[in-house]
This record gives sequence, structure tokens and C-alpha cells, in this order.
Amino acid sequence: GENVEQHPSTLSVQEGDSAVIKCTYSDSASNYFPWYKQELGKGPQLIIDIRSNVGEKKDQRIAVTLNKTAKHFSLHITETQPEDSAVYFCAASINTPLVFGKGTRLSVIA
Amino acid sequence: GAVVSQHPSRVICKSGTSVKIECRSLDFQATTMFWYRQFPKQSLMLMATSNEGSKATYEQGVEKDKFLINHASLTLSTLTVTSAHPEDSSFYICSAIPSSGGKYYEQYFGPGTRLTVT
Repeated sequence: GENVEQHPSTLSVQEGDSAVIKCTYSDSASNYFPWYKQELGKGPQLIIDIRSNVGEKKDQRIAVTLNKTAKHFSLHITETQPEDSAVYFCAASINTPLVFGKGTRLSVIA
Repeated sequence: GAVVSQHPSRVICKSGTSVKIECRSLDFQATTMFWYRQFPKQSLMLMATSNEGSKATYEQGVEKDKFLINHASLTLSTLTVTSAHPEDSSFYICSAIPSSGGKYYEQYFGPGTRLTVT
């Protein structure tokens, strides 16, 4: 089955700097790669996703890139703000239940 | 749109009792819902896939007699933790896929239910 690795497990950045979180997946047939933000005590919220026919997608300060050959995808957050502090999860799917990475705890220091 | 609710948001029960958690899709119909479990500082672990009108599909290692799932309508799935024990204490999260989309890439999550078994 699919296996998703996520790095780093924790990330601290200064407010205004960029943050990058990387994930790799094992099943080359996976075709959907969402990113979720989870705040303490809440459910995950979808922040951006990308499908395998696209290499990059951007939504304001958030972007995701996908390298199908290398089987990795990354989340990029620019101009980070304190409210970006949360746990971020990547996931992969091949029209099956999502397989999640272990999460990255992002701390944005004001 | 695409809002999923869970009730209760948190529950405390005594060891040996049963607890029911509801997951509702508020503004869409969901043929398929999922139940996840999350321990502190860990990732989401899929417990089971709930399909309206049929039996749930459980992931390996999940006791189906302990975690009863009922998907009675297109907007409601319930998870009942039977004979709960302290080790069942966890954060339970559901998600739902709109029937109209039918793809796993349209999965919306509920806010979660914190279960504490004393």
C-alpha cells in the first residue's frame, strides 16, 4: 500500500519568512495530494491540493509543487504569519482513503 | 458549503460504558464517510470506511465488534465505542465525500470528538 513520509517533523520560522514542508510517497499510481492544516483540538482543514496532471498550484501565500518522477511534493508558505502556526499534514491517494504523513508542527515566531 | 459536524465535541465516560459519536454532513449528501483516530501529537489513522446502506469496512487491527459503525442515511454516520476502556481515549475524527463528486479527493473533515475514558 501507499506510504507517505513527511519532513521535517517540526519547523520554526520567523514571521515573514518562508516555510517549506516536503513529502514523499511510494505508490507511483497515486494521483491526488492534499495538504491539511490542523489547529489544536480541531479537525483538519484542507488548505490546498494538487492532482497528478499538474506540477504546481498556488493560492495566495500557499503553493504546492509535485514531482511525479521523484514521487515527492512540497508545501510552500510565503510571508508567514503567527496564525500559520499549526500542524500540517500531507496525504496521498489513488482514489482510495487518504494516507497521511506524520505531520509537521510549524511555529511562526513573531 | 461542504460542512461536516460531529457530536459531541468532547465526552467523558466511565470504563465499561458505551459512547456514541455522530457525524453529519450538513449541506451535502455523503455515500461514503470515514472514521479516523488520532492520538496526541500523532497523525490520523484510518479506522474504517462507512458506506450508506451497507456494512463498514474496517482497517486491519480495528475491532469491528468494539467500534460499531452505522451509516443509516446519506447525511449521518455513527461510531459507537462499546465497553470503553482508558486506552480508547483519543480524538476521533470523521470525514465525508459528497455523493455528487464520488471521488476521494473531495473529502471534508469534521471538527473531531475528544473521548476520555476514566
